[in-house]
Amino acid sequence: EDQVTQSPEALRLQEGESSSLNCSYTVSGLRGLFWYRQDPGKGPEFLFTLYSAGEEKEKERLKATLTKKESFLHITAPKPEDSATYLCAVPVYNNAGNMLTFGGGTRLMVKP
Amino acid sequence: GAGVSQSPSNKVTEKGKDVELRCDPISGHTALYWYRQSLGQGLEFLIYFQGNSAPDKSGLPSDRFSAERTGGSVSTLTIQRTQQEDSAVYLCASSLVGQGAARAFGSGTRLTVV
Repeated sequence: EDQVTQSPEALRLQEGESSSLNCSYTVSGLRGLFWYRQDPGKGPEFLFTLYSAGEEKEKERLKATLTKKESFLHITAPKPEDSATYLCAVPVYNNAGNMLTFGGGTRLMVKP
Repeated sequence: GAGVSQSPSNKVTEKGKDVELRCDPISGHTALYWYRQSLGQGLEFLIYFQGNSAPDKSGLPSDRFSAERTGGSVSTLTIQRTQQEDSAVYLCASSLVGQGAARAFGSGTRLTVV
């Protein structure tokens, strides 16, 4: 069964304190790994897609990387506005189409 | 509209009552998804519509849950005889074909069963 596990569940950082979030997956034939940001009371917002080991994507202070077993979301010099829950997901395809299997998320809190 | 719209944003219902949750996808998006997000849990896939194809209902947790999509646009998720464990945020998303990763999510309906 395809599984996605994120760690840590929660992370408190001081403004400017860089860190990384982890997303470990076990899927039969990876067809992409996706990162989302979710703010309280909102739906997830798409950030990145990674397709192959070694691939990297960047957006402002965020950089996502992918290996054969896990993905990292690196946050460089975070600001309070980066506080949110970060979700990773992998697509699971069946006869009818595709759904996403999500990890439990990492709740990031950046203190000024 | 500019984004996926869901209504109501909040719904409190008594145990045993039926509820209907509505989703207006982005115009032109043929794929529509329903997810459930419970407190402390990840997003749980419920159902997927793609164009006029039969929906993928594999994620519906019980036969009390059903969904329809009229005219390839608006979708309604119905929960019959609600139970307290149905309390959650129900999220709808839509996308273009082949761009499922970049699906746009609505803000959800927070359902509380008392």
